[in-house]
Amino acid sequence: GAGVSQSPSNKVTEKGKDVELRCDPISGHTALYWYRQSLGQGLEFLIYFQGNSAPDKSGLPSDRFSAERTGGSVSTLTIQRTQQEDSAVYLCASSSRTGARDTQYFGPGTRLTVL
Amino acid sequence: ELKVEQNPLFLSMQEGKNYTIYCNYSTTSDRLYWYRQDPGKSLESLFVLLSNGAVKQEGRLMASLDTKARLSTLHITAAVHDLSATYFCAVEGNTPLVFGKGTRLSVIA
Repeated sequence: GAGVSQSPSNKVTEKGKDVELRCDPISGHTALYWYRQSLGQGLEFLIYFQGNSAPDKSGLPSDRFSAERTGGSVSTLTIQRTQQEDSAVYLCASSSRTGARDTQYFGPGTRLTVL
Repeated sequence: ELKVEQNPLFLSMQEGKNYTIYCNYSTTSDRLYWYRQDPGKSLESLFVLLSNGAVKQEGRLMASLDTKARLSTLHITAAVHDLSATYFCAVEGNTPLVFGKGTRLSVIA
């Protein structure tokens, strides 16, 4: 079946511009996560959506970052006034969150380059 | 704050040899994951370990979990070139997952 998809796969932008990154989770998955992978920094949790509950935004690095999830499915991560340090691969994951075996399945990522 | 440490961070091993990657974490958790990432690709789930003493095996890889020691190991048996990748462990804490920095494995002939 279809996995997690993300778009665009690559995004190059100028410092100060806003960008939107999209994630389509696996159909039926109620939980959706955003992570950031920077060179040499490993993976960093950003935000987590679970069903209709309020999202866990504890990982967002600044108020320039926001995310929404419409209709419990597609999610958009928005970065306002991008900075060079925002350059990274942004990964989305989803899980079914049923029982204890809620492995997260990752999308291919969006590589963001801020010039 | 949950911290996850992997070692080694870089590993070059010969084909046919055995080796172990270690994953230590700082606070109690009973859910640990191992992922594989090939260059330029996303993360592929390998194992989920849910209880103390859990052991799972897939091909040449075997993962185990000791929740009392807060330690997981990923053992590689008779390495082959196809296993070259970066391996991450991840532990579920207050935020969904905290990842180690990854172990970049290179298997050479």
